[in-house]
Amino acid sequence: GQNIDQPTEMTATEGAIVQINCTYQTSGFNGLFWYQQHAGEAPTFLSYNVLDGLEEKGRFSSFLSRSKGYSYLLLKELQMKDSASYLCAVRDNDNYGQNFVFGPGTRLSVLP
Amino acid sequence: ETGVTQTPRHLVMGMTNKKSLKCEQHLGHNAMYWYKQSAKKPLELMFVYSLEERVENNSVPSRFSPECPNSSHLFLHLHTLQPEDSALYLCASSQDFGQGTDTQYFGPGTRLTVL
Repeated sequence: GQNIDQPTEMTATEGAIVQINCTYQTSGFNGLFWYQQHAGEAPTFLSYNVLDGLEEKGRFSSFLSRSKGYSYLLLKELQMKDSASYLCAVRDNDNYGQNFVFGPGTRLSVLP
Repeated sequence: ETGVTQTPRHLVMGMTNKKSLKCEQHLGHNAMYWYKQSAKKPLELMFVYSLEERVENNSVPSRFSPECPNSSHLFLHLHTLQPEDSALYLCASSQDFGQGTDTQYFGPGTRLTVL
């Protein structure tokens, strides 16, 4: 089966660093995505990992360990506009073909 | 603005109605997707079309019927829905299906309420 876990909610202070974790169990891992979704808006792409290691993109970085079924999204120098839900998604090749499985999302609140 | 548009943005319908959701992408992509996002539940992939052919079947009830007349347009036809089908329905597109980064670009969604 497929299962993705994320913390439901997190709170951090403006200017700080926050790490959002994601653990997954899939039968045929083929890439992990992070999306940001502001309330009432569509998800927007943040990052993609398919090999182990860290991918850095400005204030956002994403890490993947395939052996541990684990990823995190690191947000530095937090800004108020970073308050949003962060969705972890895995592309899974199972017996029925390819599937995108999303986690429940982590709602991040950035406080002044 | 992601280049993916959806209409209508809001829809209220009775259980006996028939309605359709429309999605259009202006990105020249070859793959399009329908997702369902319910309150307090993860995004659920419903349908995938690649080059106008349906490529995934995620056991969606037959009261949801997708149609992809060309690579830029995707419809979701709705009939005899249930109140539990009330949700945000998101359309997305990607350059190709199952290739490389396969980044999906999402539309703003249609907020559906079934009475």
